[in-house]
Amino acid sequence: EAGVAQSPRYKIIEKRQSVAFWCNPISGHATLYWYQQILGQGPKLLIQFQNNGVVDDSQLPKDRFSAERLKGVDSTLKIQPAKLEDSAVYLCASSLLLGPETQYFGPGTRLLVL
Amino acid sequence: GDSVTQMEGPVTLSEEAFLTINCTYTATGYPSLFWYVQYPGEGLQLLLKATKADDKGSNKGFEATYRKETTSFHLEKGSVQVSDSAVYFCALSASSNTGKLIFGQGTTLQVKP
Repeated sequence: EAGVAQSPRYKIIEKRQSVAFWCNPISGHATLYWYQQILGQGPKLLIQFQNNGVVDDSQLPKDRFSAERLKGVDSTLKIQPAKLEDSAVYLCASSLLLGPETQYFGPGTRLLVL
Repeated sequence: GDSVTQMEGPVTLSEEAFLTINCTYTATGYPSLFWYVQYPGEGLQLLLKATKADDKGSNKGFEATYRKETTSFHLEKGSVQVSDSAVYFCALSASSNTGKLIFGQGTTLQVKP
């Protein structure tokens, strides 16, 4: 079975520019997560979807970050405008169901903001 | 709020040595506990998990026991191999059951031949 796909793998932008990341979860997985992993730290949840509805976006900086999963399948995460502190790896994960299920992670998108 | 604390790395061991990576947590209720591993150049993957107190998770020779009395979930392996070199993350999923993972900061393990 195909894993979680993410693109692009790497992105370099200047501060105040915008950027978008794409994620395609494992087929049939209802729950999709976006995590931010800053160098030397563990991943931190930004937003969680169940199908096309938001379950948790309490740690999403909503003044600059947005995310959508319109058809309940793939998802995009956008940053506009980017700040230097947004430099991180953005991980997408999916699980079959809501709850303490195994999460399957994509390879991540490494973002550098200059 | 809920949190996870791991021992700081890097941990450097010789092949066939015994491994312990300490993990303690703070959470209300009864969280589920996980160890995820990130091998060089690869994505995060589940290593093992335990969903209730006294459960033991095991996989690939690694073990961890959910200890509610000490709020711990230490990772152990009796004999490490060079191929075990990776970053190990302890994580919890709160008892509210949304599945959200809260991760520790990660521990880098380097095994030398």
